Amino acid sequence: EIVMTQSPATLSVSPGERATLSCRASQSVSSNLAWYQQKPGQSPRLLMYGASTRATGIPARFSGSGSGTEFTLTISSLQSEDFAVYYCQQYNNWPMYTFGQGTKLEIK
Amino acid sequence: EVQLVQSGAEVKKPGESLKISCKGSGYNFTSYWIGWVRQMPGKGLEWMGIIYPRDSDTKYSPSFQGQVTISADKSISTAYLQWSSLKASDTAMYYCARSPGRTNRFDYWGQGTLVTVSS
Repeated sequence: EIVMTQSPATLSVSPGERATLSCRASQSVSSNLAWYQQKPGQSPRLLMYGASTRATGIPARFSGSGSGTEFTLTISSLQSEDFAVYYCQQYNNWPMYTFGQGTKLEIK
Repeated sequence: EVQLVQSGAEVKKPGESLKISCKGSGYNFTSYWIGWVRQMPGKGLEWMGIIYPRDSDTKYSPSFQGQVTISADKSISTAYLQWSSLKASDTAMYYCARSPGRTNRFDYWGQGTLVTVSS
């Protein structure tokens, strides 16, 4: 099983600042990585796939990078609606998909 | 508009059986995989398994193999997740999600079904 490790567990950032979230895979997943956002009481929402492709309707302030085992999600200028939990997911190892444990992005 | 609509919340006793559903609309149901994801209270997302409704090809995470059954009825565009004997540890929110294919992301998610198992 590919283990996905996200860091940090909690990230405190002020509105308007940049946030950088990390995700590491225990073995290469190529670019087969997605990022999801989950707000309290809501379903997860796809933000990014293919490591760096924004999903439909996702603002340009969200960007993704990386390949192999190291990935980053960057939010360039945090808005109030961006404070949520973020999960990475590898889908390279069909059919054994795995999620990271999540990073909670909170208001500083 | 693509939608995945899940069945409502359930409260069950240990040992009881349960089948929850996920109905797809706004797209060709048989051309996409449907996955199931568990989220225990206050915890992260866990991938359980996935089914291709066109031919019912089904894959399970080893953690859930033998614990649940995933099925689909393409005639009514609905996927299912079922338990034959619930445990208290099955208490969780369960999400269905659509995937465009093998080795692919989940692009649309259902609203979730809360399952509570308590004596």
